[in-house]
Amino acid sequence: DVKVTQSSRYLVKRTGEKVFLECVQDMDHENMFWYRQDPGLGLRLIYFSYDVKMKEKGDIPEGYSVSREKKERFSLILESASTNQTSMYLCASWRRNTGELFFGEGSRLTVL
Amino acid sequence: EDKVVQSPLSLVVHEGDTVTLNCSYEVTNFRSLLWYKQEKKAPTFLFMLTSSGIEKKSGRLSSILDKKELFSILNITATQTGDSAVYLCAPTNFGNEKLTFGTGTRLTIIP
Repeated sequence: DVKVTQSSRYLVKRTGEKVFLECVQDMDHENMFWYRQDPGLGLRLIYFSYDVKMKEKGDIPEGYSVSREKKERFSLILESASTNQTSMYLCASWRRNTGELFFGEGSRLTVL
Repeated sequence: EDKVVQSPLSLVVHEGDTVTLNCSYEVTNFRSLLWYKQEKKAPTFLFMLTSSGIEKKSGRLSSILDKKELFSILNITATQTGDSAVYLCAPTNFGNEKLTFGTGTRLTIIP
């Protein structure tokens, strides 16, 4: 079974803190994604990556950056957390040939 | 800019009813259309559609794609309470392989 593991299920941070959200997949997929999910707004794409060291902005990249130094790991970074970044963050890994997108369990971030 | 619009935004039906969920899209270099079901946790994969007019079926769920009119529908027959969820669609493209989801349709099945 494909496994996508997000390092933290729940985090509470203060405004201005730097936040790292880690995501690891074990199926050698090239494509990985970071989304945030908020009530009424659905899943919104923050950043995605289609190869090591390659990254592309999604629909709402402001306030975020990412790192993909190894194929299996895709990290989301909030350089200076703000209260409007309180959200559920979902990482996903894509099996391109079948179209299946595998999600991690999510990281619920609260910024105070 | 890519667009994905799902309708209706929410739907409440009785158990046993049949429902049709819609997904329209605009994307450059279209590759496929994905459908997902999301209950309380992360979305789970339902279908991938690449060809127009060919129905994909899994139990009571089926889906079809119209690449000319740029939409897809997801049908659920004989609905059950376990079908209550948010249903999401996402077109994929050749090139940057961006995966953008629609806002989803929240389906509620009343026993």
